[in-house]
Amino acid sequence: RKEVEQDPGPFNVPEGATVAFNCTYSNSASQSFFWYRQDCRKEPKLLMSVYSSGNEDGRFTAQLNRASQYISLLIRDSKLSDSATYLCVVLDRGSTLGRLYFGRGTQLTVWP
Amino acid sequence: DAGITQSPRHKVTETGTPVTLRCHQTENHRYMYWYRQDPGHGLRLIHYSYGVKDTDKGEVSDGYSVSRSKTEDFLLTLESATSSQTSVYFCAISSSTDTQYFGPGTRLTVL
Repeated sequence: RKEVEQDPGPFNVPEGATVAFNCTYSNSASQSFFWYRQDCRKEPKLLMSVYSSGNEDGRFTAQLNRASQYISLLIRDSKLSDSATYLCVVLDRGSTLGRLYFGRGTQLTVWP
Repeated sequence: DAGITQSPRHKVTETGTPVTLRCHQTENHRYMYWYRQDPGHGLRLIHYSYGVKDTDKGEVSDGYSVSRSKTEDFLLTLESATSSQTSVYFCAISSSTDTQYFGPGTRLTVL
């Protein structure tokens, strides 16, 4: 079983739409959670960390449900520039360092 | 953006040849990582370093070696490249064991 599973996508939405991505993780001891964004043929870039209380950054809201081992990302008022692949990332702390586990990504296309 | 560069950015090589990829950082971060990204897979950790001369294996380390003789440089070597090592390679850095920042990537094709 993969460490991190994401919605398969792709998602194609019009500008202004609200879209939500979901992610589940298998290790109940996982300690930190992130959403990264990756544009085509570019490196992943940190979008936001995900906290137990939920957190918001402008149009983006991230939620964490530890009991269900579930993470979500909500994008409101979608922009053309939001078109990218969104990676769900989980950190497991080992003895020497934390190891990141990446989902395969969910592709979003926002059309005019 | 974090000061991370990778070289070369693109490389085409033949099966059986040695290849070295370089990751250079100007952030003085302690931790450095090498990942590969392939269609149908998330990024997968090859090797990582938690200090100068301190390295360890990740989940897909077979066929790869690394070296870190200076804080700013982390080298990934394919001793004898195979077609299965055709991939996009990303270096990442971190000042703690938490958030990681990625370099621009190297596209490697092994013919």
